[in-house]
Amino acid sequence: TQLLEQSPQFLSIQEGENLTVYCNSSSVFSSLQWYRQEPGEGPVLLVTVVTGGEVKKLKRLTFQFGDARKDSSLHITAAQTGDTGLYLCAGLYNNNDMRFGAGTRLTVKP
Amino acid sequence: DVKVTQSSRYLVKRTGEKVFLECVQDMDHENMFWYRQDPGLGLRLIYFSYDVKMKEKGDIPEGYSVSREKKERFSLILESASTNQTSMYLCASRPEGRGETQYFGPGTRLLVL
Repeated sequence: TQLLEQSPQFLSIQEGENLTVYCNSSSVFSSLQWYRQEPGEGPVLLVTVVTGGEVKKLKRLTFQFGDARKDSSLHITAAQTGDTGLYLCAGLYNNNDMRFGAGTRLTVKP
Repeated sequence: DVKVTQSSRYLVKRTGEKVFLECVQDMDHENMFWYRQDPGLGLRLIYFSYDVKMKEKGDIPEGYSVSREKKERFSLILESASTNQTSMYLCASRPEGRGETQYFGPGTRLLVL
């Protein structure tokens, strides 16, 4: 079983739609990171959140860290075909143990 | 910009061969990691190192070993490659600290025949 559960596992939407993906754990993170990975490439960092309740915006992407630092969400507004990819969340436990979710594979159709 | 490089993007090896995967980072990070990524299983940690000559087993170390002789370089070794080691291998590095970012290399796609 994954320490970090991501949902949904797959998501296929039309360009222009909004979407939210989730990352949940029963454990508390020191910090949490979201990555996007394209086929054949390594994951690329999108954001790091550290404080419970923190909200960060990156253009059309909004990241939220739960108050208890056990969960996070990524919301994309008006999705574009360039948003297609595998979205991974990663939580840092005990300050040096980073654990990854299995990812949400997003497809944005034109 | 932080750079993590991996020695090969694609490798094809035969069962029983010894395989070396090299990773180099240029930001003086203390921590370095090797993961494998397989569909539906996410990233699984093979080994990590928090200092030169130090290594720790991750979740799936069997069939692998590592070497960290210099701070910037972390090598993954498959002593005798097997077909179930066909996978995408990702190296990462990260400095010490709670909010620090982990940076990944581009990955090595290994096929063992």
